[in-house]
Amino acid sequence: DVKVTQSSRYLVKRTGEKVFLECVQDMDHENMFWYRQDPGLGLRLIYFSYDVKMKEKGDIPEGYSVSREKKERFSLILESASTNQTSMYLCASSPPGSSTYEQYFGPGTRLTVT
Amino acid sequence: KQEVTQIPAALSVPEGENLVLNCSFTDSAIYNLQWFRQDPGKGLTSLLLIQSSQREQTSGRLNASLDKSSGRSTLYIAASQPGDSATYLCAVPNSGNTPLVFGKGTRLSVIA
Repeated sequence: DVKVTQSSRYLVKRTGEKVFLECVQDMDHENMFWYRQDPGLGLRLIYFSYDVKMKEKGDIPEGYSVSREKKERFSLILESASTNQTSMYLCASSPPGSSTYEQYFGPGTRLTVT
Repeated sequence: KQEVTQIPAALSVPEGENLVLNCSFTDSAIYNLQWFRQDPGKGLTSLLLIQSSQREQTSGRLNASLDKSSGRSTLYIAASQPGDSATYLCAVPNSGNTPLVFGKGTRLSVIA
């Protein structure tokens, strides 16, 4: 079974803090993704990566950065957390190729910025 | 840009009923379509993946169909149970091998 893990289920941070959200997958997947999920807005893509050291902006990258130094790990960084970044953050991974594009999700991190 | 719509946004049914959840997408040039389930406060669990060459996929009491030409997919749940209560989301790649675009989901409540 594919397993995607996220470093924290719940996180509370103060405005202005630098926040790291970690995601690890154990299936040697090339593709990894970070989404945020908010009521009424659904899932929105923040950043994604198709390979080590590679990153692409999604629909809402502002205020975020990412790091992918190893294939299995994809980190989301909030450089200076703000209250509007309070949200559920979901990480996902998938094998390469469009024909078998099944995404596997982690359990999510509920981040509250006060 | 691909847009995905799910109707209804919420649905409440008595236990035992068969039900259909709808998903529509604007760009029919998709490689596949995926249905997910999300329990409150949790991540997404993949239920079914339908390739563009397929018309339907089945898993237990779940059956998903795909009509690319009309830009629609349905998820059929037979003999619903309280444990089926969750939010169901559908998603398609934006184009080719690109990240998924998600609908906002249908929140299902099955009442015992």
